[in-house]
Parts: sequence; structure tokens; C-alpha cells
Amino acid sequence: GNSVTQMEGPVTLSEEAFLTINCTYTATGYPSLFWYVQYPGEGLQLLLKATKADDKGSNKGFEATYRKETTSFHLEKGSVQVSDSAVYFCALSGARISSYKLIFGSGTRLLVRP
Amino acid sequence: GAVVSQHPSWVICKSGTSVKIECRSLDFQATTMFWYRQFPKQSLMLMATSNEGSKATYEQGVEKDKFLINHASLTLSTLTVTSAHPEDSSFYICSARGGAGALGSNQPQHFGDGTRLSIL
Repeated sequence: GNSVTQMEGPVTLSEEAFLTINCTYTATGYPSLFWYVQYPGEGLQLLLKATKADDKGSNKGFEATYRKETTSFHLEKGSVQVSDSAVYFCALSGARISSYKLIFGSGTRLLVRP
Repeated sequence: GAVVSQHPSWVICKSGTSVKIECRSLDFQATTMFWYRQFPKQSLMLMATSNEGSKATYEQGVEKDKFLINHASLTLSTLTVTSAHPEDSSFYICSARGGAGALGSNQPQHFGDGTRLSIL
């Protein structure tokens, strides 16, 4: 079946530290991959996406590369800020998934300390 | 960018009341809308998928008569929690996506800010 596995949180970092949040997936066919961010008390915002192998999605200093050979889409940022504290969700969607609905990972909470 | 407005953001009501939540796409046509439920510190649970003008498709275990979904136009979908009880208290989030069929496959879902429902 289709599934997304994320590293468990919380991830606690000091400001300006390097961030990696691991995400691996299982899917039939060639899914599109997404990272969403949820700030406290809010809905989800699309952070970045990649639609085919070797694509790199990037936004606001965050990056993730679609790695078909390792079925991964790890989120990275070179220097985190306190304002990056949030919950991050990795997700996939694709033609072989009914209605192209999103399959979410369990989410990883990031806490950045000053 | 694409904006999805969800209303109300917070509602408190007595047990037995029916509550309606609206989800609107403000600057694009949403051919498909999704309704999710999120428990504290957990991921989103998809409740149902609705396509404009069609009946919603509910996920396994979600009561159709309890959670009524209407998607009457390309910019509006509603979720009505009928005869709500305390166990229905949760954070409900909608999302909307443009494009249809294969055209929609690479379109991201755009999320509303969620509705916190508290049933007393």
C-alpha cells in the first residue's frame, strides 16, 4: 500500500542549527511528494513539493530532493530560526491513489530555541 | 497564492446541536475538497473527499449520516456535524484543490486554518 514514514519528534534545535527531518515513502507508481507545515492552532501550509525523481523543492530556505532510489524526501534547512518552530508533515499523492488524495506521515514537531 | 477560507475558526455548543462548517476557495475553482479531522498532537485523518456536484466519498469508519458534506459549487463546501456530542470535539480542517482528473494530480491541496469544535 501507500504510506509515509517520518522521524519521530520532537526535534529540538538551537537557533542557526542545521535541520534534517527524514521522510521515506512506499507507493505504487510515481507519486508527487510534499512537505506541509502547521503552526500552532492553524491549518496546513504547503512548504514545498516535487513531482518527479531528482526534482528539488525549495522554499523559505527549506529544501527536499525526491530520491527514487532510496524512496526518500528528507527536509533540510541550513540555519533554523525560532519562527520555524512548528509541526512538519511529509505527504504523497499520485495517479494510483484514489482522487489523488494526500497520504500523510505522522508529523514531526520542531522546536527551535533562541 | 491560492487561499482557502474556513469558517468558523472556533465553535462551542451544547450536546445535541448540529454545527455547520464552511470551506471556501477564494481565488480559484476547487473541483475537489477534502475534510480532515485532527486529534491533539496527531496527524490528519481524512474523513471524506467531495467533488463539485457529486456525493462525497467517505473513508472507512466515518459515519455519513453524522458528518454531512455538501459541495454545491466550485468555491464552497460545507461539513455539518449532526447532533454533535462531546466525542465529536476535535479540530476539523478542510482543503481544496483545482484541476480535474490527471490535471489535478500535480496540484497541491490548499488548506483552511481549521475549525476547533468543542461540544459541552
